[in-house]
Amino acid sequence: GAGVSQSPSNKVTEKGKDVELRCDPISGHTALYWYRQSLGQGLEFLIYFQGNSAPDKSGLPSDRFSAERTGGSVSTLTIQRTQQEDSAVYLCASSLPASSRETQYFGPGTRLLVL
Amino acid sequence: GNSVTQMEGPVTLSEEAFLTINCTYTATGYPSLFWYVQYPGEGLQLLLKATKADDKGSNKGFEATYRKETTSFHLEKGSVQVSDSAVYFCALPANQAGTALIFGKGTTLSVSS
Repeated sequence: GAGVSQSPSNKVTEKGKDVELRCDPISGHTALYWYRQSLGQGLEFLIYFQGNSAPDKSGLPSDRFSAERTGGSVSTLTIQRTQQEDSAVYLCASSLPASSRETQYFGPGTRLLVL
Repeated sequence: GNSVTQMEGPVTLSEEAFLTINCTYTATGYPSLFWYVQYPGEGLQLLLKATKADDKGSNKGFEATYRKETTSFHLEKGSVQVSDSAVYFCALPANQAGTALIFGKGTTLSVSS
C-alpha cells in the first residue's frame, strides 16, 4: 500500500519568508510525527499528533514553528520568518496509536534550504 | 527519559566483510528497539526491530539482539555488499508513551568492491 508522502520534496526560500510543508500519512494511521534532520543536530523530534487530541509540541524549537492536522489525516508544518538555521530535512512519520512498541514509518522528507 | 548511544563512523569495509555497529541504551521499562537505514538521498526506512528482551530482529541479512543485561542492541551482518552503503540509526521511544523516537547520531557505512 501507499506509504507516507511529503511535499514538496525540495524547497528553496529566502530568509524571512514563510514556508508550508505537507505530510500525508499512511491510511489508517492515527498517530503522526514531525522530525527535523540537520547536520549539526542529527534527528530531532518536533511534534506529535494522535487523533483529535491536543498535539505534543514539546519539540518545536521556537514559536515560528507550528503544525496542524486537519481531519485527523493530512498535516502541515509551517515555519514563519524562516532563518538560515532552519535549513534541514523535515521528516514526517506515521503509526498506529503511539506506544513504546509501535513502529513509525517515515516519508521521504522535504529538504528545506533557506538562503 | 530514555537515551541511546551509537558508535559513530564512518565505517569503511570491503565487500563480504563482517559488520558490527554498536548501540547501547538506557530506558524505563522494556520498549521496542529499532534500527533504521537511510540510503543516499532517501528517507528513513525501518531495517529491523525487537520488541522484548532476547528477541532477535532480522532483515536483509542484518541482525540485532535485544540484550537487557548489557542494555545493547548491536547491529551485525556477516557479509556486507556495496548496496549496504548507507547511514544506520539506532532508535528507541523517548518515553513510555512512545510519542517520539530518539535516535543515535548515525553511522555511515561505505562498502567498496
